[in-house]
Amino acid sequence: QQQVKQSPQSLIVQKGGIPIINCAYENTAFDYFPWYQQFPGKGPALLIAIRPDVSEKKEGRFTISFNKSAKQFSLHIMDSQPGDSATYFCAAGEDQTGANNLFFGTGTRLTVIP
Amino acid sequence: DGGITQSPKYLFRKEGQNVTLSCEQNLNHDAMYWYRQDPGQGLRLIYYSQIVNDFQKGDIAEGYSVSREKKESFPLTVTSAQKNPTAFYLCASSAIALTGYGYTFGSGTRLTVV
Repeated sequence: QQQVKQSPQSLIVQKGGIPIINCAYENTAFDYFPWYQQFPGKGPALLIAIRPDVSEKKEGRFTISFNKSAKQFSLHIMDSQPGDSATYFCAAGEDQTGANNLFFGTGTRLTVIP
Repeated sequence: DGGITQSPKYLFRKEGQNVTLSCEQNLNHDAMYWYRQDPGQGLRLIYYSQIVNDFQKGDIAEGYSVSREKKESFPLTVTSAQKNPTAFYLCASSAIALTGYGYTFGSGTRLTVV
């Protein structure tokens, strides 16, 4: 059973557009929600993370929106650039309960067209 | 610099051969993980370890084996029993509690059967 559901599977936007990637979870015990960015041939790298006590977090052009009641969170990329073309993974986990506690979405392949 | 080192970057395996992928971390993390990533796919957990000399099967452990003799090292052996081993393999590590940093990934090993 997929603990974290991610959509869309792929996304194509023009430069300057605002791609939005959505994730949903069921386990209300989750309290840590990171996003990872992966370029081809590289390992995923932590991009931004949020905890359920806030509804939004911004780091540069990347924003996470979090809706606790709906059990959903999303990544917005403002003023997207061709260099943002990568695969993005959302994840969710319980911060203090032990190893293997982070569950990944299936990934979204983003292409930003110049 | 702290991080995870995977080697080799590229590996070729003949039919019927066992091969071992190396993963070393100097982050003083207790937990380590192996994931498999197929083209355009998400991350599938092979094995994980929370402590030296102990490890647990993930979702797709068949045909793989691991050892954890040192905290810093978590090598993965792809055995001849793994019928479709061609994939991108990612090693990750974390503190037992995520403590806001989630998982740190290595740069991956691409294994090809020839």
